[in-house]
This record gives sequence, structure tokens and C-alpha cells, in this order.
Amino acid sequence: DQQVKQNSPSLSVQEGRISILNCDYTNSMFDYFLWYKKYPAEGPTFLISISSIKDKNEDGRFTVFLNKSAKHLSLHIVPSQPGDSAVYFCAAGDTGNQFYFGTGTSLTVIP
Amino acid sequence: DTAVSQTPKYLVTQMGNDKSIKCEQNLGHDTMYWYKQDSKKFLKIMFSYNNKELIINETVPNRFSPKSPDKAHLNLHINSLELGDSAVYFCASSYRLDSYGYTFGSGTRLTVV
Repeated sequence: DQQVKQNSPSLSVQEGRISILNCDYTNSMFDYFLWYKKYPAEGPTFLISISSIKDKNEDGRFTVFLNKSAKHLSLHIVPSQPGDSAVYFCAAGDTGNQFYFGTGTSLTVIP
Repeated sequence: DTAVSQTPKYLVTQMGNDKSIKCEQNLGHDTMYWYKQDSKKFLKIMFSYNNKELIINETVPNRFSPKSPDKAHLNLHINSLELGDSAVYFCASSYRLDSYGYTFGSGTRLTVV
């Protein structure tokens, strides 16, 4: 059973606008969450993380929001740039144990 | 049913031992991968196996060897385990090399003592 779900396989956004990528998880014991970015022909690279003691973590244009009660996290990219076009994976886990990945959302930023 | 499954989920072993981690996918994908996740959560590609072609990351010690009996399986064998090998190892698969449908397994936590 998929413990981490990214229900939108793709998303298109105009350059300069906000991109919002969503992720849902099922296990309330998960306490650490990560986002990875993957370009074609490359492996995923770590982007940003958040622990369950926070509800927001910001790094430049990237902000991750965590809603523990809804078991939902989102990645906001603002402003979106063409170079942000990639596949984004969320992952959730119990620190020190397993991490579970979503199936990815392909973001296309239109110039 | 789990699309990409890894076994075991946890592996604790002594230095110098030889161990294997198994990975199986039931998605009909042509390509499988092994990644090592370091303490900073970075994922480092170790191997890609695409349609019987093995692509090796040259930074991976030759103590690590992938074995693919068929398209649905890519096992990771590690000889002479070292303390620095302790990490979480992820298997993944995709329809073709770096194409859509990229799916990860849930990881194997290897602890070398």
C-alpha cells in the first residue's frame, strides 16, 4: 500500500507564478519529510526537508509546509523559473528508519 | 501489492562480512537503480541496469556488485563490509532509463558494526 502519495503526476505553471506541489502520507508516525528534485538523465537531488516539530521551512524560493493533522505537505516554489522544470519527489519517514517515496510530480515551467 | 520491494528492511552485520540486498519490481519497468542515502539525506546513484546494460558510478567501490537475474530483479551484493557502508540503500525502477514512472522502494537500513 502506498504510504506516500503524490496525486498529481504533472503540473504546468507560467514563469514567475507560484508552483505548488502536494504530497499526502498515511502513517502518523512519520516525523521527517523531504523533497527531491530530479532532472532527466540525472539522479534525484535533495532539495529541502522538514521535521514534524515545524509546520514550515523556507529556503530561498522553496518553502515546504507541513499539516500534520491532515497528513499533508506541500512544496511552494515562488517565483517559478524554467530551470525548475523537473520531477519532484516527496519522501516521508520515521527518522532513523525507512523512508517512503511518492511517485513524483513532473513540473513544467512555461517561459 | 508493493510495486518495488526491497528485502531486508533492516540489516545489521559485522565488518568484513558479505551481504546481499534484494530488490524486485512488478511494474514491468526496463530499468532499475540502486541509490545510497547518506547522513545528510543526499541520494547518490550507485548503479543503473537498463535492458541488460549495467551503468556503474565509478565512485562506487568494487566491493559493491549488482546482480540482475532478470528484468524484474536487481540485487546488491556487498563484499567485505566496512563501517562506512552503513547507510540506507534505495532501489528504484522506471519504464526506461531516466524516464517517467520512477518508483522507489522503501529502503534498506544497513548497519555495519
